[in-house]
Amino acid sequence: QQQVKQSPQSLIVQKGGISIINCAYENTAFDYFPWYQQFPGKGPALLIAIRPDVSEKKEGRFTISFNKSAKQFSLHIMDSQPGDSATYFCAASSNSGYALNFGKGTSLLVTP
Amino acid sequence: DAGVIQSPRHEVTEMGQEVTLRCKPISGHNSLFWYRQTMMRGLELLIYFNNNVPIDDSGMPEDRFSAKMPNASFSTLKIQPSEPRDSAVYFCASRLLGEKLFFGSGTQLSVL
Repeated sequence: QQQVKQSPQSLIVQKGGISIINCAYENTAFDYFPWYQQFPGKGPALLIAIRPDVSEKKEGRFTISFNKSAKQFSLHIMDSQPGDSATYFCAASSNSGYALNFGKGTSLLVTP
Repeated sequence: DAGVIQSPRHEVTEMGQEVTLRCKPISGHNSLFWYRQTMMRGLELLIYFNNNVPIDDSGMPEDRFSAKMPNASFSTLKIQPSEPRDSAVYFCASRLLGEKLFFGSGTQLSVL
């Protein structure tokens, strides 16, 4: 049973455009929401994370928007670059001692 | 630090054979996770350990799968007997306190 639902499955964006990936969850006990980035042949790596006490977190071109009432969060990549082409996973967990539940991933392609 | 080290990088075996995947976590990390990645199911948590003790193995698909962590610097995931549907990329990840997971580069398993 997928505890975190992610969409879209794949995304094509032109260079300079905005990439948006969405995730939804049901478990209200979740209190940690990271995004991981994975390049081919590599393991996922932490990109950015948010806790539900804030509605937005920005790091460079990457922004997480969080809507606690809707139980949704999204990743926005501003000024998307070909080097951003990768698979992106959202995830959620409750308490730092527990394992992450991952979405199925979004394959992003940024065209030149 | 060399990061999380997994071996082998690729494994091709025949149905019915025993497969052993190995993981060396980052030194000092006290939690270790085994994930399986497929196109259909994304990243699935198989099992995780805290301080070498298995905490949650509910994601282990069947009795054919077993995992051990004999000490803080080594873990194995064994499949016996292997089946074609076990073909996937298997990731090991570790962390210290807090939430950030560090993934290895994975083992690509093909069961023919």
